[in-house]
Amino acid sequence: EAGVVQSPRYKIIEKKQPVAFWCNPISGHNTLYWYLQNLGQGPELLIRYENEEAVDDSQLPKDRFSAERLKGVDSTLKIQPAELGDSAVYLCASSPSLLESGELFFGEGSRLTVL
Amino acid sequence: QKEVEQNSGPLSVPEGAIASLNCTYSDRGSQSFFWYRQYSGKSPELIMSIYSNGDKEDGRFTAQLNKASQYVSLLIRDSQPSDSATYLCAVRKLVRGSTLGRLYFGRGTQLTVWP
Repeated sequence: EAGVVQSPRYKIIEKKQPVAFWCNPISGHNTLYWYLQNLGQGPELLIRYENEEAVDDSQLPKDRFSAERLKGVDSTLKIQPAELGDSAVYLCASSPSLLESGELFFGEGSRLTVL
Repeated sequence: QKEVEQNSGPLSVPEGAIASLNCTYSDRGSQSFFWYRQYSGKSPELIMSIYSNGDKEDGRFTAQLNKASQYVSLLIRDSQPSDSATYLCAVRKLVRGSTLGRLYFGRGTQLTVWP
């Protein structure tokens, strides 16, 4: 079974440029998460989807960040415009809907460097 | 005050020793507790979950939970060099506006097991 797929793995951009990350969750997983992980820190939740509905987006900086999950499968996270402080790893994770175990399956992440 | 606190280490133990990793959490209403392992440059993966006070053993790993002290620990017996990684403590708590609660991660403890 394929895992969570993210792209691109690495992205280097100049500040004020836009950037987008794509995620394909594990087949059958209705819950999708975007996390941000800074160096030496744990992942921090940006947004959680149940199917195509964003059910927890209170930590998403909506002035520059946006996300969508059309058709309840793939998801895109966008930053526009990017700032120097956005340099981090953006992790996508998925889990079966209503799973209480807390087991999230993470993708390899997209490492963003903003110059 | 952070939701989840961990000593970032690094923790260094010899092969065959017991590694002890600790975590405290701030909200007494937290419901579920997890340990994730993250190898350098890789994404986190779940290794243990615990929901009630006491010990839970899985192979060389033992998770311990003390809700009165708001304390979670992970013991790794017979540590191996392949256990060298960052161990993230995660806690699920209910938050307003989020069904199923939200998973909060600590910053992780870096463990090195030397031969």
